[in-house]
Amino acid sequence: AQSVAQPEDQVNVAEGNPLTVKCTYSVSGNPYLFWYVQYPNRGLQFLLKYITGDNLVKGSYGFEAEFNKSQTSFHLKKPSALVSDSALYFCAVRDRNGGYQKVTFGIGTKLQVIP
Amino acid sequence: DGGITQSPKYLFRKEGQNVTLSCEQNLNHDAMYWYRQDPGQGLRLIYYSQIVNDFQKGDIAEGYSVSREKKESFPLTVTSAQKNPTAFYLCASGRLVAGVGANEQFFGPGTRLTVL
Repeated sequence: AQSVAQPEDQVNVAEGNPLTVKCTYSVSGNPYLFWYVQYPNRGLQFLLKYITGDNLVKGSYGFEAEFNKSQTSFHLKKPSALVSDSALYFCAVRDRNGGYQKVTFGIGTKLQVIP
Repeated sequence: DGGITQSPKYLFRKEGQNVTLSCEQNLNHDAMYWYRQDPGQGLRLIYYSQIVNDFQKGDIAEGYSVSREKKESFPLTVTSAQKNPTAFYLCASGRLVAGVGANEQFFGPGTRLTVL
């Protein structure tokens, strides 16, 4: 079985400071990993994904994430937070060995950027 | 919300009624998905479909039904058998990948269902 953990319900950061939203995963094989963002009463928007290769993945809106196989983590980062980054962030995983492309989502982390 | 439409945006249902949520995509994606979102529980998969006229149950299919008569459309019916249907429902689509690789999902704007 595959699973995702987002250990923080909420992350608060001051505008202009770096931000990190944490994600750890569990799969039987090698993972595909994703980050999505959700604004209030909206659907999810794709930010970035890790498939293979470079452990540092760059995505939309200045976000990046670092894949760490030994720690089974895929933390989302941004060097300088904006108030408009305030939203709900979801990490997701798919087992590379899965026949059907089922994706498991974490419960989400609310990011609050304080002006 | 990238080529996926869901309607209606808000839906109110009386207990004992069936209701159907619409999902349409113009992205030419083969795969379509229905998720339910509840506070503090993330997204849970209800049903998915990888091809027309075929669909599979997800983790919480009880009390729900779907059809996939056209590639573009994947409606979800919430039946009276669903004990706690009040939730935010999200439809998504994605390209299927053969072999190595993984594609992201594109989400609709969601339908908020409230049972009165």
